[in-house]
Formats: sequence, structure tokens, C-alpha cells
Amino acid sequence: AQSVAQPEDQVNVAEGNPLTVKCTYSVSGNPYLFWYVQYPNRGLQFLLKYITGDNLVKGSYGFEAEFNKSQTSFHLKKPSALVSDSALYFCAVREGSGYSTLTFGKGTMLLVSP
Amino acid sequence: GAGVSQSPSNKVTEKGKDVELRCDPISGHTALYWYRQRLGQGLEFLIYFQGNSAPDKSGLPSDRFSAERTGESVSTLTIQRTQQEDSAVYLCASSFGDNYSNQPQHFGDGTRLSIL
Repeated sequence: AQSVAQPEDQVNVAEGNPLTVKCTYSVSGNPYLFWYVQYPNRGLQFLLKYITGDNLVKGSYGFEAEFNKSQTSFHLKKPSALVSDSALYFCAVREGSGYSTLTFGKGTMLLVSP
Repeated sequence: GAGVSQSPSNKVTEKGKDVELRCDPISGHTALYWYRQRLGQGLEFLIYFQGNSAPDKSGLPSDRFSAERTGESVSTLTIQRTQQEDSAVYLCASSFGDNYSNQPQHFGDGTRLSIL
């Protein structure tokens, strides 16, 4: 069975500082990995994905994530946080071969203070 | 707009009533998904449509839940004899290709269902 762990319920960071939101995963084969962001009373918005190739993936709004196969991690990063980045962030995984549904983590609330 | 549209945005109903939730996917998206999001939880997969067929219904929590899709477009999720534990946000998503592809899912804003 596949699973995703987001070990932090909440991450606090000051505006202008770098941010990291952690994600580890478990799948039996090669993973397809995704990050989504959810603003209050809105659906999830796609940020970036890792399918294959370069381990560093760049996405929307200046976010990037690094795929680390040995540590089975896919942490979300941004060099300089904005107050407007405050939202709920979800990591998701599915197995890259064969049929499987997308499994989401429980989410991490990011709070960026001015 | 060209995004996924869900209606109603909010629904309050009494325990025991039936409810119907609607999803209009992005035009041309053949794959459609329903999820349930409970407060403080991740997304719980309910059902996946490819065209008008549902190859995976494994996430539907009970036989009170059903869904259909017509015209490879609109989908409705029906909950019969609602219970208080059905209170949640129901999210719909659509994507190109099928569930074997690497295309991201695009989400609607959800229907917030409250059972009194």
C-alpha cells in the first residue's frame, strides 16, 4: 500500500526567510509525486510534480521541491517566504506504473508572519 | 471560467435526507474524481470515472453513496439517508488522460455539507 507522511501539522516562518515543508512517501514502485496548496474555502491548487528526470523540480509561485529516492522524501521549499504563501499544503503520491489512486498526506499549515 | 465547477457550494440538511452534489469538470478532461475532506484530515478518495464508466468505486464508504457521470462531463454524487458523519467538504477533480497518466488533477472549490 502507498502512503504519505507530512510530519508537521504547522510550520511557522517569518516573511523573507526560506521555508521547507516536509513530505516522505512509501510506494512499491517508482513514485509520481505532487504538491498542492489549499487556501481557505477553496479547492486544491496544483503547485508542482515529480515524474522522472531532474531531482529538483520547479513549480508555481517560486516553489520548488527536491526528490530524494534514498530518503523517500519530496520536501517543498521556497527561498523567500511571503505572507501570501500562508495556506494548507498537501503532498500526494501514486505509483508510476499500473493503476493506483492518488494518496494525500494530512496537510501542513504554513503560517508566514510579517 | 474554465475551471472545475461544483454546486452547491454549501448544503445544510437534516439527518436522514438525501443530497445530490454536482460537478462540472474542465472541458475535455476524461478523468473525474470525487474526494471527501474532513476537518484536519487529508483527502479521502471516493470514486474515479474514466469517461462515463467508474473503474474504481473502492472509496465509497457505504451503499448510501453513489455517483454517476453522463456525457463524459457532469457528475453527480448522491448520499442517501444522510448521517452526521457525512458532514465534510466534498471535492471534485478532473484531469486529462486516464489514471495511468502523470497529469495533475484540477480541483473545484468543493461542496461543504453539514448534516444537522
